[in-house]
Amino acid sequence: GAGVSQSPSNKVTEKGKDVELRCDPISGHTALYWYRQSLGQGLEFLIYFQGNSAPDKSGLPSDRFSAERTGGSVSTLTIQRTQQEDSAVYLCASSLPSGRANTGELFFGEGSRLTVL
Amino acid sequence: AQSVAQPEDQVNVAEGNPLTVKCTYSVSGNPYLFWYVQYPNRGLQFLLKYITGDNLVKGSYGFEAEFNKSQTSFHLKKPSALVSDSALYFCAVRVPTGGSYIPTFGRGTSLIVHP
Repeated sequence: GAGVSQSPSNKVTEKGKDVELRCDPISGHTALYWYRQSLGQGLEFLIYFQGNSAPDKSGLPSDRFSAERTGGSVSTLTIQRTQQEDSAVYLCASSLPSGRANTGELFFGEGSRLTVL
Repeated sequence: AQSVAQPEDQVNVAEGNPLTVKCTYSVSGNPYLFWYVQYPNRGLQFLLKYITGDNLVKGSYGFEAEFNKSQTSFHLKKPSALVSDSALYFCAVRVPTGGSYIPTFGRGTSLIVHP
């Protein structure tokens, strides 16, 4: 597709269940980011993938959160044993390869809204 | 560490009046600065960026921003606001040398343009 695609757009789950959120980046974009947007909290960085390099996981809030990127394209963010405080909009973005020469912007998907009851 | 501050949670302006949404940053090194806009239930869309050169940059929908190194600011401006400009605006910073390539975003400013 032409843009970043995220699914599901909405997910309601019960506390303690696991959820998977999917991101399909723009073709040719080797950099992929996950952010979390909570009301009044702005965008919180979660994890960053760049090509075949080891991901930067420094923003993951706990070991219940994990992400993978298969074949350098589609990424899945997994939240295990969800808690109510995990309720937020999870945004995925992609860009051209990051590096000193790259001045480009991020292209965002429309997000996956997660509600944990 | 790099950080961005958007000191106003909300900005109210009448249609046709000029608008300013404020952003200040803190980085080590020369920053790349960005503004994004988010309409309800949508992802963020790129508006404009400052990389180097002219301190006044122009972007989409008639928006512009001025980079001020001495004040470490990158305020977003528009000469004449439209009701359709009402949205959430995010400032972001990235440092290309000696810093993280991961953009840091501000908390966002809600712009409300009244008819």
